[in-house]
Amino acid sequence: AQSVTQLGSHVSVSEGALVLLRCNYSSSVPPYLFWYVQYPNQGLQLLLKYTSAATLVKGINGFEAEFKKSETSFHLTKPSAHMSDAAEYFCAVTEIQGAQKLVFGQGTRLTINP
Amino acid sequence: DARVTQTPRHKVTEMGQEVTMRCQPILGHNTVFWYRQTMMQGLELLAYFRNRAPLDDSGMPKDRFSAEMPDATLATLKIQPSEPRDSAVYFCASGLQSGGARNEQFFGPGTRLTVL
Repeated sequence: AQSVTQLGSHVSVSEGALVLLRCNYSSSVPPYLFWYVQYPNQGLQLLLKYTSAATLVKGINGFEAEFKKSETSFHLTKPSAHMSDAAEYFCAVTEIQGAQKLVFGQGTRLTINP
Repeated sequence: DARVTQTPRHKVTEMGQEVTMRCQPILGHNTVFWYRQTMMQGLELLAYFRNRAPLDDSGMPKDRFSAEMPDATLATLKIQPSEPRDSAVYFCASGLQSGGARNEQFFGPGTRLTVL
């Protein structure tokens, strides 16, 4: 069975600082990996996805993530935080073969301090 | 601007009442997913459909929940009878699975359900 662990339910950074949100996955088959963002009272929006091509994936709003198979990780980073980045972030995994259903992590709430 | 729509956006009801939530997937998408989000459990998959056929509803309490796709433009999730523990935000998502390729899921804005 697949699973996702997001380290840190809350992360707080200063505006302009590096954002690092951690995600580790468990999968017995090659995975597809996703990062979604959820703003208050809204649905989830795709930030970026890894689909077995380039291991460094660039997404919207200046975010990127690197797939590291040896570490079973897919951490999300942004060099310089903006106030508008405050939201909840979800890492998710699905199988390349088989069912398409997403398995989500518990989410990380990102707070940006002025 | 293609997007997933959900109605109603908010629903307050009393325990024991029937609740129906509706979802219009993005035109042309062939997979539809229902998720439930709560503080305690996070995001859970309840059911999903491909080409209108239910593929997996193992996450759904069978005794009170039912999910259907009457046609390609409408998915419904019903709870009967509703209970306070069903209070959550219910998200619908749609996607396109073509051959072996799997694209991302596009989420609707959700239905916030409160059962008193």
